[in-house]
Amino acid sequence: GENVEQHPSTLSVQEGDSAVIKCTYSDSASNYFPWYKQELGKGPQLIIDIRSNVGEKKDQRIAVTLNKTAKHFSLHITETQPEDSAVYFCAASMPGANSKLTFGKGITLSVRP
Amino acid sequence: DGGITQSPKYLFRKEGQNVTLSCEQNLNHDAMYWYRQDPGQGLRLIYYSQIVNDFQKGDIAEGYSVSREKKESFPLTVTSAQKNPTAFYLCASSFGTGPTYEQYFGPGTRLTVT
Repeated sequence: GENVEQHPSTLSVQEGDSAVIKCTYSDSASNYFPWYKQELGKGPQLIIDIRSNVGEKKDQRIAVTLNKTAKHFSLHITETQPEDSAVYFCAASMPGANSKLTFGKGITLSVRP
Repeated sequence: DGGITQSPKYLFRKEGQNVTLSCEQNLNHDAMYWYRQDPGQGLRLIYYSQIVNDFQKGDIAEGYSVSREKKESFPLTVTSAQKNPTAFYLCASSFGTGPTYEQYFGPGTRLTVT
């Protein structure tokens, strides 16, 4: 089955700096890669996703890039703000109506004011 | 106001007791899911349901049971057979299964078994 690795487990940045979170996946058949943000005491919320037919997708301060050859994808957050502090999960899914998401272990991002 | 409701937010039980976690959604979603989250771990799928009266085991179904009698509701029972039940449980729903459909998560229930 699919295996998603997420490193490091924690990341601390200064407010205003950029943050990059990287994930790797094992199955080259995976074609959908969402990123979820989980604030303290809440459920995860989808913030951006990318499919294997594109290499990059942007939404305001966040972007996701995909390298299919290397089997990794990254979340980029620019001009970080304290409210960006949260746990971020990456996930991967293979094609097919019955496919399921495989999640990474999550990374805790802390933005220092 | 549409969304997913999980209750209660915190639940405490004694070892050996079964406990049922509630999940309700008013998003008109066909698919519903239960995940377990442990510290430093990703989300692991327990059970999922694509339609009413149908459900499938996920990766860690042992010691859990579910029912899907109504489209809006997908309760999870943590049985005494679950060896390590203390965890944060998340319910999610989507219009369908597969990568085409975004999963929406509830706020979670933190279960503590002593």
